[in-house]
Amino acid sequence: AQKITQTQPGMFVQEKEAVTLDCTYDTSDPSYGLFWYKQPSSGEMIFLIYQGSYDQQNATEGRYSLNFQKARKSANLVISASQLGDSAMYFCAMSFTGNQFYFGTGTSLTVIP
Amino acid sequence: GAGVSQSPSNKVTEKGKDVELRCDPISGHTALYWYRQSLGQGLEFLIYFQGNSAPDKSGLPSDRFSAERTGGSVSTLTIQRTQQEDSAVYLCASSLVRIQGHEQYFGPGTRLTVT
Repeated sequence: AQKITQTQPGMFVQEKEAVTLDCTYDTSDPSYGLFWYKQPSSGEMIFLIYQGSYDQQNATEGRYSLNFQKARKSANLVISASQLGDSAMYFCAMSFTGNQFYFGTGTSLTVIP
Repeated sequence: GAGVSQSPSNKVTEKGKDVELRCDPISGHTALYWYRQSLGQGLEFLIYFQGNSAPDKSGLPSDRFSAERTGGSVSTLTIQRTQQEDSAVYLCASSLVRIQGHEQYFGPGTRLTVT
């Protein structure tokens, strides 16, 4: 069975500081993709970053980086230089060479000025 | 617009009535997903369409839920005999191909309230 776990229901970070949002997953499938999405209070889901299970290097997209530790089955999101606009729900998701995406329960991030 | 669109944005219905939710995916995207998000929760997979293949309906919670996709483009999610527990935001997403490397693009959602 596939499973995504986000253990931090809520996180706070000071503006301009870095923050790490945790995500662990459980699968026996060797081929998978890992995604992070941001959901602001307006409700839309915004794609942030992708990591493939065979990728050797950690993915980076601007201020977002994915700390991929395959042996530990973790895919933590690191946001550097936090901004007030980063306050949102963050979802980790996993996909396979099949149909479904599996989403975690999310982490609510609040950036404090 | 080039994004995924959904209509209506909000729907209030009485318990027992049927509702139809519409999704217009990004042009050219062959994969289309429906999800349900209850208040403060993550996304619950409902159904997946890929091109002309038979849809993956494994996430539909009951036989009151059905979906179709006409011409490989627009999709309609139908909920029959709505119940209060059906109240949620229903999100549609599309992606370019059916492999794990392609992210999904989400619509703004339809907020369904069953009274």
